[in-house]
Amino acid sequence: AQKVTQAQTEISVVEKEDVTLDCVYETRDTTYYLFWYKQPPSGELVFLIRRNSFDEQNEISGRYSWNFQKSTSSFNFTITASQVVDSAVYFCALSPRDSGAGSYQLTFGKGTKLSVIP
Amino acid sequence: DTGVSQDPRHKITKRGQNVTFRCDPISEHNRLYWYRQTLGQGPEFLTYFQNEAQLEKSRLLSDRFSAERPKGSFSTLEIQRTEQGDSAMYLCASSLADVNIQYFGAGTRLSVL
Repeated sequence: AQKVTQAQTEISVVEKEDVTLDCVYETRDTTYYLFWYKQPPSGELVFLIRRNSFDEQNEISGRYSWNFQKSTSSFNFTITASQVVDSAVYFCALSPRDSGAGSYQLTFGKGTKLSVIP
Repeated sequence: DTGVSQDPRHKITKRGQNVTFRCDPISEHNRLYWYRQTLGQGPEFLTYFQNEAQLEKSRLLSDRFSAERPKGSFSTLEIQRTEQGDSAMYLCASSLADVNIQYFGAGTRLSVL
C-alpha cells in the first residue's frame, strides 16, 4: 500500500519569506515517482515536478526547490521569497514507476494550504 | 495548446437523479484517469483507461458509477441514483503512456441536494 503524509495542514507566511512544505511517503515499490502539484482557488491541479526514485539530486527551478531524501522517505518543497500568487493548496503525490499493466495511479497527500500575506 | 477539458464545471442535482460528466483529454494522450476530491482531502483514484480499455477500477467506484471511453478519445463518467455522499469534485487527468505525468482538468463540482 502507498501512503503520502503532509503533516502541515495550513501555513501562513508574509510575502518574501521562504517556506518549506513537508512530504513523507510510504511505499513497498523499489522504483517509484514523486510529484508536487499546485491547486489554486480556481481548482485545477497544476503539475510542478516529477522526481524518479533513482535520482536523489535536489532540483531548483526559479524560486522553487525540491529536496528528495530516500533515507527518510521525504520529498520536501521550498519556495524562496514567497509571493501572493503562491497562495494555493500544494499536494505531494506518489505513483509506481514500473507497473506492468498497472495504472500508475497517483496517491495524494491531504495537501498543505499556503497563504502568503502581502 | 489545449489542456484537459471537463464539462460541466458545476452540476447541482437532486438525490436519486442520474448525472453524466465528460472529459476531453489532451489530444495525443492515450491514458485517462478519473479522480474524486472531497473538501480538505487530496484527490482519490477512481478508474483508468488506456486507449478505450478500462484497465483498473478503485473500490471507491461503486456499482452506481460507470465510466466509458468509447473511441479512446473523450471519456464519460456516469453516476446513477446519486446520493448526498457523492457530492465532490470529479477530476479527470490524461498522460502519455511513456511519460507518466498526469495533467488535470479543472474538474466538475457535483452537489447532490
